[in-house]
Amino acid sequence: EIVLTQSPGTLSLSPGERATLSCRASQSVSSNYLAWYQQNPGQAPRLLIYGAFNRATGIPDRFSGSASGTDFTLTISRLEPEDFAVYYCQQYGSSPFTFGPGTKVDIK
Amino acid sequence: EVQLVESGGGLVQPGGSLRLSCAASGFSFSGEAMQWVRQAPGKGLVWVSRIDPEGSTTTYADSVKGRFTSSKDNARNTLYLQLNSLRAEDTAVYFCARDFPGPHDALDIWGQGTMVTVSS
Repeated sequence: EIVLTQSPGTLSLSPGERATLSCRASQSVSSNYLAWYQQNPGQAPRLLIYGAFNRATGIPDRFSGSASGTDFTLTISRLEPEDFAVYYCQQYGSSPFTFGPGTKVDIK
Repeated sequence: EVQLVESGGGLVQPGGSLRLSCAASGFSFSGEAMQWVRQAPGKGLVWVSRIDPEGSTTTYADSVKGRFTSSKDNARNTLYLQLNSLRAEDTAVYFCARDFPGPHDALDIWGQGTMVTVSS
């Protein structure tokens, strides 16, 4: 089973700042099959990025994904008020598909 | 409108059973794989299972293997999750979600979730 580790656990930033979220896999993720989701309290998650790099439909271009080996990064270039939420990575390259524990981005 | 609506959650005693449903609309349900994901109160997302478009191949997390069964009725556009031998640690909101069309198995459409509480 691939274990995903996300860091930091909490990121405290101000609107307009840049957010960098990390997701490290315990082994190689096939074909960079890694996704990022955003979740607000009481809501279902929303797909942001798939295939490590590709923005889902309707996702603003301030969200971007990158990868280097087993390290994956979600970058939010300039935080908007609606971006303060919890972010999860998920690998779907091998079963069982697994999620990371999440990074909470809150307002400083 | 593309939509998934879960139902069937509730309070059940340890060792009991429950069947969750996920009604799909607005897309070709028979052509898409589906997944279940759960989230315990105040905790993170946990992958539960995946079923292929035809409903013939399923995979499960080790924590539910042998106790949970996912099925897919393409004629009724409905996904099911049968939960047996329930434990307190199965208490969670259960989400159904659609595999992103194509080779990626990311989850692009999610239901609102249904709460399962296992308690005596």
